[in-house]
Amino acid sequence: AQTVTQSQPEMSVQEAETVTLSCTYDTSENNYYLFWYKQPPSRQMILVIRQEAYKQQNATENRFSVNFQKAAKSFSLKISDSQLGDTAMYFCAFLPRVAGSYQLTFGKGTKLSVIP
Amino acid sequence: NAGVTQTPKFQVLKTGQSMTLQCAQDMNHEYMSWYRQDPGMGLRLIHYSVGAGITDQGEVPNGYNVSRSTTEDFPLRLLSAAPSQTSVYFCASSLQGYSGNTIYFGEGSWLTVV
Repeated sequence: AQTVTQSQPEMSVQEAETVTLSCTYDTSENNYYLFWYKQPPSRQMILVIRQEAYKQQNATENRFSVNFQKAAKSFSLKISDSQLGDTAMYFCAFLPRVAGSYQLTFGKGTKLSVIP
Repeated sequence: NAGVTQTPKFQVLKTGQSMTLQCAQDMNHEYMSWYRQDPGMGLRLIHYSVGAGITDQGEVPNGYNVSRSTTEDFPLRLLSAAPSQTSVYFCASSLQGYSGNTIYFGEGSWLTVV
């Protein structure tokens, strides 16, 4: 079984600054996917970024980037130039790349507040 | 393109009542699933389906029933509602479940059992 741990229940950042959200996971699998999802107050789950474990290069999507450390089982999200619209819950999630395995395992989330 | 559509968005049930949460997707996705989100928790998988006629249990299946008669629809049935089932429910779909394809979520259904 996999576990995903987000050790920061709440964080805040000044607008235009950079913030990093932490995520660690535990698995015996070698091939898997990692995701960061954003959940604004509307509760919609929005995919922010995805990392494939067999790719060494860290994924980036505009202002969002990850620091993927496979050996350390760490997957942090960096948000640059924070904007007020980034205020949301952020969930880290794990998906094994194994036939017959379909369950996304989520962390408990980090509540990010962007302060004007 | 509607994506993943869930109905109803809000529902209040009395203990012991039954109801069905509807989920439909128009992207011809093979994989569909139901998650629940409780306060202070991430989403947890209830049931999933890898195609029409095929369903299986997730992490927290007790008290719920599903069926998949068509590719588009994946309803979630609460057989006898309990206060512990008060939660926000999300339906999700993707082209294929384990290949890491983008998983699309519906907007959520808020369920309160009194």
